Amino acid sequence: DAGITQSPRHKVTETGTPVTLRCHQTENHRYMYWYRQDPGHGLRLIHYSYGVKDTDKGEVSDGYSVSRSKTEDFLLTLESATSSQTSVYFCAARQGAKGYGYTFGSGTRLTVV
Amino acid sequence: QQQVKQSPQSLIVQKGGISIINCAYENTAFDYFPWYQQFPGKGPALLIAIRPDVSEKKEGRFTISFNKSAKQFSLHIMDSQPGDSATYFCAASDDDYKLSFGAGTTVTVRA
Repeated sequence: DAGITQSPRHKVTETGTPVTLRCHQTENHRYMYWYRQDPGHGLRLIHYSYGVKDTDKGEVSDGYSVSRSKTEDFLLTLESATSSQTSVYFCAARQGAKGYGYTFGSGTRLTVV
Repeated sequence: QQQVKQSPQSLIVQKGGISIINCAYENTAFDYFPWYQQFPGKGPALLIAIRPDVSEKKEGRFTISFNKSAKQFSLHIMDSQPGDSATYFCAASDDDYKLSFGAGTTVTVRA
Protein backbone atom coordinates (compact mmCIF):
# COMPACT_ATOMS: atom_id res chain seq x y z
CA ASP A 1 0.00 0.00 0.00
CA ALA A 2 1.51 3.22 -1.19
CA GLY A 3 2.95 5.40 1.58
CA ILE A 4 2.80 2.92 4.50
CA THR A 5 5.60 0.42 5.02
CA GLN A 6 5.57 -2.13 7.79
CA SER A 7 8.58 -4.12 8.89
CA PRO A 8 9.19 -6.93 9.30
CA ARG A 9 6.48 -8.60 7.19
CA HIS A 10 6.82 -11.87 9.07
CA LYS A 11 8.36 -12.69 12.42
CA VAL A 12 8.55 -15.71 14.67
CA THR A 13 9.61 -15.04 18.23
CA GLU A 14 9.76 -16.87 21.52
CA THR A 15 7.50 -16.32 24.48
CA GLY A 16 8.89 -13.73 26.87
CA THR A 17 11.04 -11.85 24.38
CA PRO A 18 10.46 -8.19 23.50
CA VAL A 19 9.44 -7.47 19.91
CA THR A 20 9.25 -4.17 18.05
CA LEU A 21 7.25 -3.67 14.88
CA ARG A 22 7.88 -0.63 12.74
CA CYS A 23 5.53 1.48 10.66
CA HIS A 24 6.90 4.11 8.31
CA GLN A 25 4.81 6.55 6.31
CA THR A 26 5.84 8.99 3.63
CA GLU A 27 2.63 11.04 3.40
CA ASN A 28 3.13 13.29 6.45
CA HIS A 29 -0.12 12.02 7.98
CA ARG A 30 -0.86 13.30 11.45
CA TYR A 31 -2.78 10.30 12.76
CA MET A 32 -1.32 6.81 12.98
CA TYR A 33 -2.77 3.59 14.34
CA TRP A 34 -1.84 0.05 15.27
CA TYR A 35 -4.50 -2.64 14.89
CA ARG A 36 -4.42 -6.37 15.33
CA GLN A 37 -6.52 -8.67 13.17
CA ASP A 38 -7.75 -11.99 14.48
CA PRO A 39 -10.42 -14.35 13.08
CA GLY A 40 -13.83 -13.55 14.54
CA HIS A 41 -12.65 -10.26 16.02
CA GLY A 42 -12.00 -8.13 12.99
CA LEU A 43 -9.64 -5.25 13.56
CA ARG A 44 -9.05 -4.14 17.13
CA LEU A 45 -7.26 -0.93 18.00
CA ILE A 46 -4.12 -1.32 20.10
CA HIS A 47 -2.74 2.23 20.28
CA TYR A 48 -2.94 5.35 18.21
CA SER A 49 -1.09 8.62 17.79
CA TYR A 50 -2.42 12.07 17.00
CA GLY A 51 0.99 13.72 16.68
CA VAL A 52 4.65 13.39 17.53
CA LYS A 53 4.94 12.13 21.09
CA ASP A 54 1.13 12.18 21.43
CA THR A 55 -0.25 8.68 21.85
CA ASP A 56 -3.20 7.01 23.52
CA LYS A 57 -4.50 3.55 24.28
CA GLY A 58 -7.00 1.61 22.23
CA GLU A 59 -9.26 -1.25 23.28
CA VAL A 60 -6.58 -3.98 23.50
CA SER A 61 -3.50 -2.11 24.74
CA ASP A 62 -2.39 -4.41 27.58
CA GLY A 63 1.08 -5.81 26.90
CA TYR A 64 1.83 -3.26 24.19
CA SER A 65 3.55 0.10 24.11
CA VAL A 66 4.15 2.59 21.32
CA SER A 67 6.41 5.45 20.49
CA ARG A 68 6.34 8.19 17.90
CA SER A 69 9.44 10.37 17.90
CA LYS A 70 9.02 11.47 14.26
CA THR A 71 5.94 12.11 12.15
CA GLU A 72 6.86 9.31 9.77
CA ASP A 73 7.58 6.50 12.25
CA PHE A 74 5.27 4.72 14.68
CA LEU A 75 6.72 1.81 16.63
CA LEU A 76 4.77 -0.93 18.39
CA THR A 77 6.56 -2.88 21.13
CA LEU A 78 5.41 -6.10 22.71
CA GLU A 79 7.14 -5.85 26.02
CA SER A 80 7.19 -9.61 26.73
CA ALA A 81 5.58 -11.56 23.92
CA THR A 82 2.90 -14.13 24.75
CA SER A 83 1.17 -16.71 22.56
CA SER A 84 -2.05 -14.67 22.75
CA GLN A 85 -0.24 -11.94 20.83
CA THR A 86 0.16 -14.17 17.79
CA SER A 87 -1.72 -12.15 15.21
CA VAL A 88 -1.52 -10.05 12.10
CA TYR A 89 -0.68 -6.46 12.96
CA PHE A 90 -1.69 -3.57 10.74
CA CYS A 91 -0.49 -0.03 10.84
CA ALA A 92 -2.71 2.69 9.42
CA ALA A 93 -2.45 6.42 8.90
CA ARG A 94 -4.95 9.14 8.21
CA GLN A 95 -4.43 12.56 6.72
CA GLY A 96 -6.90 14.66 8.64
CA ALA A 97 -10.43 14.64 9.97
CA LYS A 98 -12.37 11.41 10.15
CA GLY A 99 -13.96 11.93 6.76
CA TYR A 100 -10.66 10.87 5.28
CA GLY A 101 -10.11 7.15 4.92
CA TYR A 102 -7.35 5.25 6.60
CA THR A 103 -4.41 4.05 4.54
CA PHE A 104 -3.29 0.66 5.80
CA GLY A 105 0.05 -1.06 5.49
CA SER A 106 0.30 -4.64 4.26
CA GLY A 107 0.58 -6.08 7.75
CA THR A 108 3.08 -7.98 9.89
CA ARG A 109 2.34 -11.60 10.67
CA LEU A 110 3.73 -12.29 14.13
CA THR A 111 3.93 -15.78 15.60
CA VAL A 112 4.87 -16.24 19.24
CA VAL A 113 6.04 -19.78 20.03
CA GLN B 1 -16.88 -5.96 23.46
CA GLN B 2 -17.39 -5.11 19.83
CA GLN B 3 -19.18 -1.79 19.35
CA VAL B 4 -20.22 -2.68 15.81
CA LYS B 5 -21.82 -6.07 15.21
CA GLN B 6 -21.48 -7.44 11.69
CA SER B 7 -23.24 -10.33 9.98
CA PRO B 8 -22.99 -12.76 8.34
CA GLN B 9 -19.49 -14.03 9.05
CA SER B 10 -19.27 -15.36 5.50
CA LEU B 11 -21.41 -15.63 2.41
CA ILE B 12 -21.25 -17.25 -0.99
CA VAL B 13 -22.98 -15.69 -3.98
CA GLN B 14 -23.18 -16.56 -7.64
CA LYS B 15 -21.70 -14.25 -10.21
CA GLY B 16 -24.24 -11.56 -11.01
CA GLY B 17 -26.03 -11.94 -7.68
CA ILE B 18 -26.43 -9.48 -4.83
CA SER B 19 -24.29 -9.66 -1.69
CA ILE B 20 -25.73 -8.08 1.45
CA ILE B 21 -23.78 -7.45 4.64
CA ASN B 22 -25.40 -5.99 7.73
CA CYS B 23 -24.04 -4.03 10.66
CA ALA B 24 -25.65 -2.80 13.86
CA TYR B 25 -24.49 -0.42 16.56
CA GLU B 26 -25.66 0.96 19.91
CA ASN B 27 -23.62 4.13 20.30
CA THR B 28 -25.85 6.94 19.06
CA ALA B 29 -22.83 9.26 19.01
CA PHE B 30 -21.44 7.44 15.97
CA ASP B 31 -21.62 9.80 13.01
CA TYR B 32 -19.35 8.33 10.36
CA PHE B 33 -19.77 4.85 8.88
CA PRO B 34 -17.19 3.57 6.39
CA TRP B 35 -16.79 0.19 4.75
CA TYR B 36 -13.40 -1.34 4.06
CA GLN B 37 -12.46 -4.08 1.60
CA GLN B 38 -9.55 -6.42 2.22
CA PHE B 39 -7.95 -8.87 -0.19
CA PRO B 40 -5.80 -11.77 1.11
CA GLY B 41 -2.34 -10.64 2.15
CA LYS B 42 -3.23 -6.97 1.92
CA GLY B 43 -4.34 -4.27 4.30
CA PRO B 44 -7.95 -3.06 4.24
CA ALA B 45 -8.81 -0.23 1.86
CA LEU B 46 -11.64 2.28 2.09
CA LEU B 47 -14.52 1.28 -0.18
CA ILE B 48 -17.36 3.67 0.59
CA ALA B 49 -18.59 5.72 3.54
CA ILE B 50 -21.77 7.40 4.73
CA ARG B 51 -22.87 9.93 7.30
CA PRO B 52 -26.20 9.61 9.16
CA ASP B 53 -27.81 12.59 7.44
CA VAL B 54 -28.40 10.47 4.31
CA SER B 55 -30.19 7.13 4.01
CA GLU B 56 -28.34 5.76 1.01
CA LYS B 57 -25.10 6.24 -0.86
CA LYS B 58 -24.16 4.54 -4.09
CA GLU B 59 -20.78 4.22 -5.78
CA GLY B 60 -20.82 2.01 -8.81
CA ARG B 61 -22.06 -1.44 -7.81
CA PHE B 62 -21.66 -0.73 -4.09
CA THR B 63 -24.48 0.83 -2.05
CA ILE B 64 -24.69 1.67 1.64
CA SER B 65 -28.16 1.76 3.16
CA PHE B 66 -28.46 3.53 6.51
CA ASN B 67 -31.32 3.29 9.02
CA LYS B 68 -30.68 5.75 11.82
CA SER B 69 -33.73 4.81 13.91
CA ALA B 70 -32.84 1.12 13.83
CA LYS B 71 -29.13 1.86 14.29
CA GLN B 72 -28.29 -0.37 11.37
CA PHE B 73 -26.45 0.01 8.11
CA SER B 74 -25.73 -2.39 5.31
CA LEU B 75 -23.57 -2.85 2.24
CA HIS B 76 -25.10 -4.15 -0.96
CA ILE B 77 -22.87 -5.41 -3.75
CA MET B 78 -24.90 -5.52 -6.95
CA ASP B 79 -23.99 -7.74 -9.91
CA SER B 80 -21.31 -9.45 -7.79
CA GLN B 81 -18.15 -10.39 -9.67
CA PRO B 82 -15.37 -12.88 -8.80
CA GLY B 83 -13.06 -9.90 -8.28
CA ASP B 84 -15.31 -8.80 -5.42
CA SER B 85 -14.28 -11.88 -3.42
CA ALA B 86 -12.73 -10.34 -0.32
CA THR B 87 -13.33 -9.63 3.35
CA TYR B 88 -15.51 -6.62 4.08
CA PHE B 89 -15.46 -4.65 7.31
CA CYS B 90 -17.97 -2.11 8.48
CA ALA B 91 -16.80 0.53 10.92
CA ALA B 92 -18.06 3.51 12.89
CA SER B 93 -16.60 6.58 14.53
CA ASP B 94 -17.76 9.09 17.11
CA ASP B 95 -14.67 11.25 17.45
CA ASP B 96 -11.85 12.65 15.43
CA TYR B 97 -9.37 9.94 16.21
CA LYS B 98 -10.44 6.36 15.82
CA LEU B 99 -12.69 3.80 14.17
CA SER B 100 -14.43 0.79 15.68
CA PHE B 101 -14.54 -2.11 13.23
CA GLY B 102 -16.96 -4.99 12.85
CA ALA B 103 -15.70 -8.58 12.84
CA GLY B 104 -15.67 -8.84 9.05
CA THR B 105 -17.55 -10.77 6.37
CA THR B 106 -15.78 -13.01 3.88
CA VAL B 107 -17.54 -12.83 0.52
CA THR B 108 -16.94 -15.52 -2.09
CA VAL B 109 -18.34 -14.96 -5.57
CA ARG B 110 -18.63 -18.14 -7.60
CA ALA B 111 -18.22 -17.87 -11.35
